[in-house]
Amino acid sequence: AQSVAQPEDQVNVAEGNPLTVKCTYSVSGNPYLFWYVQYPNRGLQFLLKYITGDNLVKGSYGFEAEFNKSQTSFHLKKPSALVSDSALYFCAVRDYYGGATNKLIFGTGTLLAVQP
Amino acid sequence: NAGVTQTPKFQVLKTGQSMTLQCAQDMNHNSMYWYRQDPGMGLRLIYYSASEGTTDKGEVPNGYNVSRLNKREFSLRLESAAPSQTSVYFCASSEYGLSGANVLTFGAGSRLTVL
Repeated sequence: AQSVAQPEDQVNVAEGNPLTVKCTYSVSGNPYLFWYVQYPNRGLQFLLKYITGDNLVKGSYGFEAEFNKSQTSFHLKKPSALVSDSALYFCAVRDYYGGATNKLIFGTGTLLAVQP
Repeated sequence: NAGVTQTPKFQVLKTGQSMTLQCAQDMNHNSMYWYRQDPGMGLRLIYYSASEGTTDKGEVPNGYNVSRLNKREFSLRLESAAPSQTSVYFCASSEYGLSGANVLTFGAGSRLTVL
């Protein structure tokens, strides 16, 4: 079965420190991977995606993610955290059996809390 | 540019009542989706519509029906609401294509409570 796992319910980091939010995946074929962010009482917003090519993907708001095929991981990173980065982060993978649609399978989410 | 608009934003129902969640997008997207978000469960796909005139079940379709009214609108109906349907519901849309790389645009969500 296809799935993504986010092993941490919450990540705490001090402002200015680097942050990492972890994601591992299990899919058939080549993975199409995504990160979304959800601010309180808002819908999800796209951050970045990996389709093919360079393993380091850069996205919005200074975030980047590293694709590691051997470890089946796609961790989200940022060199210096901001208090405004505090939000719920979701990793997702395209449903390989979705045909030409873009159905996504989401992880359970990781709450990032950045302390001032 | 409104993107994806959902109504209502909040609703409280009694068990057994029915209601329809409305969703409209103005990006000329072909595909539309309904997800529900529950604590510890992430987002789960209820139904989707790959293109106008088609609808298909997702991971958790039981207790729901959908209608793709036209290219812009995709509604979700609860015929007989149950407490297990208390959740936050998100509508999303995307382009349709074999690249699989198209991004989903989400609405702000509809918070439903069933008593």
